[in-house]
Amino acid sequence: NAGVTQTPKFQVLKTGQSMTLQCAQDMNHNSMYWYRQDPGMGLRLIYYSASEGTTDKGEVPNGYNVSRLNKREFSLRLESAAPSQTSVYFCASSVPPNRGSEQYFGPGTRLTVT
Amino acid sequence: AQSVTQPDIHITVSEGASLELRCNYSYGATPYLFWYVQSPGQGLQLLLKYFSGDTLVQGIKGFEAEFKRSQSSFNLRKPSVHWSDAAEYFCAVGPGNQFYFGTGTSLTVIP
Repeated sequence: NAGVTQTPKFQVLKTGQSMTLQCAQDMNHNSMYWYRQDPGMGLRLIYYSASEGTTDKGEVPNGYNVSRLNKREFSLRLESAAPSQTSVYFCASSVPPNRGSEQYFGPGTRLTVT
Repeated sequence: AQSVTQPDIHITVSEGASLELRCNYSYGATPYLFWYVQSPGQGLQLLLKYFSGDTLVQGIKGFEAEFKRSQSSFNLRKPSVHWSDAAEYFCAVGPGNQFYFGTGTSLTVIP
């Protein structure tokens, strides 16, 4: 039982390049989330997927797209990376929120855009 | 609007001393409240959570937190801090699809 896994762990991009961050969970959770963490800002929600086949914007969605590939996988895509997207990205999953569960977090992806 | 405030950006305590980390929330309905800990370079680990019932909740690693509805607070406490408790601590409020996190409190433990 690996929990929530994320790849890659580290990535350096040049401005304008694209990339996809991968996330998978093996806990049979319906809901999945992408956050970014910046110093002094805490965690801010980028996108979430309440269930397979649905996605919704969070607090800071601009410059990102997501795909809920299946129940296990939820990817985050940067189409044209910008220095402002330098951050640590966390994926999380949970059972449906109305059941009051906590979120389980992956180890994070540290992204630098030069 | 929902929000979480952690007023202390950084706290330093001596090993063996007691600890209290503050968390205030704004939420329109009955909140679900969480404390997470993040060690350097790691993801977030749940310390404890409050959904309903007893307002004093116990968590892992000897931590506890008390929900005070009248003060909109959910402060984290530990009677005796260990050097391994040095980390960043985040308070969060739900439920709903969007959890709201505070900006975190960084804890330094001095010998």
